[in-house]
Amino acid sequence: EIVLTQSPGTLSLSPGERATLSCRASQSVSSTYLAWYQQKPGQAPRLLIYGASSRATGIPDRFSGSGSGTDFTLTISRLEPEDFAVFYCQQHGSSPQTFGQGTKVEIK
Amino acid sequence: QVHLVQSGAEVKKPGASVKVSCKSSGYTFTSYGINWVRQAPGQGLEWMGWISGYSGKTNYLQKLQGRATLTTDTSTSTAYMELRSLRSDDTALYYCARGSPTAEGLYYAMDVWGQGTTVTVSS
Repeated sequence: EIVLTQSPGTLSLSPGERATLSCRASQSVSSTYLAWYQQKPGQAPRLLIYGASSRATGIPDRFSGSGSGTDFTLTISRLEPEDFAVFYCQQHGSSPQTFGQGTKVEIK
Repeated sequence: QVHLVQSGAEVKKPGASVKVSCKSSGYTFTSYGINWVRQAPGQGLEWMGWISGYSGKTNYLQKLQGRATLTTDTSTSTAYMELRSLRSDDTALYYCARGSPTAEGLYYAMDVWGQGTTVTVSS
């Protein structure tokens, strides 16, 4: 099973600041099969990024993904008030599919 | 518009079974699969299993093998997740999410999610 470790656990930032979230895999993951999701309180997760760097439909361009192999990054260039949430990375190229434990981006 | 609509909240006693439904609309059910993902209170996401809308083939998280059964009814574009021998640690929010039609559910990100179904296991 591929274990995904996200860091930091919590990121305290102000609106307008840049957020950088990390996802590290216990073994190499094809970038084609690395996704990022956003989850707000009381809501289902929403797909943000697939294929490590492609934005899902309707996702603003302030969200970007990068990385390869075992190290992946989600960047939010300028935080908007609606961006504060928990973010999960997921690999879906090897069974079982696995998620990281999440990074909470909170308002400072 | 593509939607997945799940059945309502359930409260069950330990040892009982629960069956959650996930009705799809806005796309061809047999062109995709359905993943089931659960989230214990205050915790992260755990993939439970996948079923193909095309073939009915399934793939389960090993620790749930034997307790979980995924099925579909293509006539109503509905997927079902049944979990038996419920324990307190099965208390969670259960989501269905659209995924791959083949390959054990791999290779597709989960692009559409249901609203979630709360299952509470308590004596």
